[in-house]
Formats: sequence, structure tokens, C-alpha cells
Amino acid sequence: GAVVSQHPSRVICKSGTSVKIECRSLDFQATTMFWYRQFPKQSLMLMATSNEGSKATYEQGVEKDKFLINHASLTLSTLTVTSAHPEDSSFYICSARGGRPAGELFFGEGSRLTVL
Amino acid sequence: GIQVEQSPPDLILQEGANSTLRCNFSDSVNNLQWFHQNPWGQLINLFYIPSGTKQNGRLSATTVATERYSLLYISSSQTTDSGVYFCAVGNTGFQKLVFGTGTRLLVSP
Repeated sequence: GAVVSQHPSRVICKSGTSVKIECRSLDFQATTMFWYRQFPKQSLMLMATSNEGSKATYEQGVEKDKFLINHASLTLSTLTVTSAHPEDSSFYICSARGGRPAGELFFGEGSRLTVL
Repeated sequence: GIQVEQSPPDLILQEGANSTLRCNFSDSVNNLQWFHQNPWGQLINLFYIPSGTKQNGRLSATTVATERYSLLYISSSQTTDSGVYFCAVGNTGFQKLVFGTGTRLLVSP
């Protein structure tokens, strides 16, 4: 299957700082990527759809100014958590479609954010 | 939006046992996937199955789109099958997936 890679896998930061998470499609081009968030023992919730060359589409209740998404190339999308607070601590996972079949989504390894 | 419910929420099996996991969804879909989330959080693709039946080793899946459900079968379970199983569906032309509530499986030796 297609390969999606995320970095960093773990990050610990102090409250008030910003953290950037990268999501790369390694063997295919992705005009659209998706960012999900997962709290402990819960399901995955879609945060936003990242579109190459245009603004991201955010789900209801997700703060655009808190979670900045940039999709500057066909293989890279970034999620920046600005002025992070302890309640932003979570598991963030990106995904993209990898070709055949056209509808199948592949996920990155995820990034675990802990805000102290 | 579309609602996705999975059952059972928790399942404990002895190694070697078989199991069936169910995914019900509230609207027609054109995309359905099953995933296994391992203890490190990685989502492993099991099946892309918007309709029909597929098999891969000890795992198989069936989606009956007209009745809005999908089933994941695990045969001869192994301890490495432990983890959380998610189904996820989409109905907006190859766009976002909505995840189900998950089934947490524990296979004991």
C-alpha cells in the first residue's frame, strides 16, 4: 500500500509554545490530505481537510487560528498547533489517498503531543 | 452527518477462537474501510470494501451496502490480533472518512 509518513512521532512542549507536525506522502502525490485527532480510548475525529494550493477546510468546532494547516506541495502537509495548552494534548494522525483503489485512505504513524 | 456504530465495544477471546465484528452506518456509502490500530497507535489497513466480500488470510470482510452494515471476521485469533478495530465510511465522493466507535479486542493466550 501507499506510504504516508509523519514527523515527529512524539513531542513534548511547554504551554504557550507552537508545535509543527509534518505529513508526507512518500510514493505518491496527494492533492488532498486529512488531519484527525484522537483522545485516549476514543475514536478518530476529523479536524480538517488539507488542499494543495488552497485553504484548508475545517470541521465544525475546530479553531482555524489554533490549528494552522499548510499544504504547500503535492507531498507535504503541515499542522501547526499554535499557543498550545494542556487540553491540546492528543494523538494527531494524517491521511491521504494513495492511488489504487482510488478511494482507499492510508494513514501516517501519528504524532503524540503532550503539552505541559 | 453519517453515524457509524460498531459492536461489540469490547471483546475478550481465547487464542484460537473466531469472532465477528459489526459496523452499522446510517446512510448510503461509497467508501468503507476496516482498520486495526496497534498499541502504538498505528492504523493498519485491513480492507477497502464499500461492497461485497474480501478475504485476506485469517481475516475476511463483507459489506451489505443496501442494508447499511459491514462485518469483519477473524478466525483462529492470535494474541497479535489484540488492539482496536475501526470501520470508517465515506459518502461524499472519495472525500473524508467518518470513523466508527471501535471494537477493543483482547486475545489471551
